[in-house]
Amino acid sequence: GAGVSQSPSNKVTEKGKDVELRCDPISGHTALYWYRQSLGQGLEFLIYFQGNSAPDKSGLPSDRFSAERTGGSVSTLTIQRTQQEDSAVYLCASSRRRTSTDTQYFGPGTRLTVL
Amino acid sequence: GQQLNQSPQSMFIQEGEDVSMNCTSSSIFNTWLWYKQDPGEGPVLLIALYKAGELTSNGRLTAQFGITRKDSFLNISASIPSDVGIYFCAGPGGGGSQGNLIFGKGTKLSVKP
Repeated sequence: GAGVSQSPSNKVTEKGKDVELRCDPISGHTALYWYRQSLGQGLEFLIYFQGNSAPDKSGLPSDRFSAERTGGSVSTLTIQRTQQEDSAVYLCASSRRRTSTDTQYFGPGTRLTVL
Repeated sequence: GQQLNQSPQSMFIQEGEDVSMNCTSSSIFNTWLWYKQDPGEGPVLLIALYKAGELTSNGRLTAQFGITRKDSFLNISASIPSDVGIYFCAGPGGGGSQGNLIFGKGTKLSVKP
């Protein structure tokens, strides 16, 4: 079956512009996560969705970052007024449920470069 | 906050060698996960550990959940070229059973020139 897909695979933007990153989770997975991976670093949790519950936004680094999940499936991560420090790979993952025992399956990521 | 420290940061392997890496935490974890990331890909789960002292194998990979619950080890036996990549340890963030994970900075495995 299809895995987690993300688009675009690469995005180059100018400082100050807004960007939208898309994630298509595995069908039937109720939990969806966004992580950020800076060069040479581990993954940093950003935001999480579980079904129709309010998202856990505790990892978002600033109010320029937001995300939504429409219809419990596709998710969009939006970064407004991008800064150079936002350059990173943004990874999406999904799991059947939000528990530590449910495997998270990761997409290939979107590499964002802010000039 | 919680942090996971991985060592070594990088290592070079020669085909056939055994490899060991570890991960330590300042706080107790009730789950330890080991992921591998290939270039241009997202991490893929290799082994999950749920009980202190647990020793679990997946082919040539073996991982252990430390009895203090503050560390874990990953061993790769008889390494092959496709073992090259970045290995991450991870555990549940927030100290509970929530799914969002915190990750170490990774151990990068490369082939000796």
